[in-house]
Amino acid sequence: SQTIHQWPATLVQPVGSPLSLECTVEGTSNPNLYWYRQAAGRGLQLLFYSVGIGQISSEVPQNLSASRPQDRQFILSSKKLLLSDSGFYLCAWADGQGPPPGTQYFGPGTRLTVL
Amino acid sequence: AQSVTQPDIHITVSEGASLELRCNYSYGATPYLFWYVQSPGQGLQLLLKYFSGDTLVQGIKGFEAEFKRSQSSFNLRKPSVHWSDAAEYFCAVGPYNTDKLIFGTGTRLQVFP
Repeated sequence: SQTIHQWPATLVQPVGSPLSLECTVEGTSNPNLYWYRQAAGRGLQLLFYSVGIGQISSEVPQNLSASRPQDRQFILSSKKLLLSDSGFYLCAWADGQGPPPGTQYFGPGTRLTVL
Repeated sequence: AQSVTQPDIHITVSEGASLELRCNYSYGATPYLFWYVQSPGQGLQLLLKYFSGDTLVQGIKGFEAEFKRSQSSFNLRKPSVHWSDAAEYFCAVGPYNTDKLIFGTGTRLQVFP
């Protein structure tokens, strides 16, 4: 069966520091991968998605970036964090044979607090 | 543009009461439709999905949803709510020509004993 991991689970970082969040998927190959952010009390905002190694689509202009160095690894990064980067970050995977879109399965999330 | 509307931000029900969460979408054709649930501090869990066929879809935890093309709706229902159903519920739409889902803003369900 497929599983998705995210780490760290929680992170407290000062403003201006770098960021690296990691997401890995097991039990599937060539998945679509997604990064979402959920601000306090709000819905999901799609940040990036990837349909293959090295292929990244950015949905929202910001100081975040994403990379996919391996088939089942998706990394969210920032060189300098802002206060507005605080939130709950969710990674998801889907069967990468679309469109149309496959069912997305979510990881446990990373709670990021920028102080 | 494609969109999803969950008109109820917060719903409170008593344990054992019936539940209906509303979801309306805007899309030119029949999209793929999903309901997810999120407990506090957790990721999203898929409750059910509709791709085609029978418009009444059964999901996990006793939930069901009905697709109504004429109303562009995909409402989630449960006949008897349990205290453990307290969570945030998200409706999502997947247009045919994309690999992405469009999520509603969510409905927070509170259950009183």
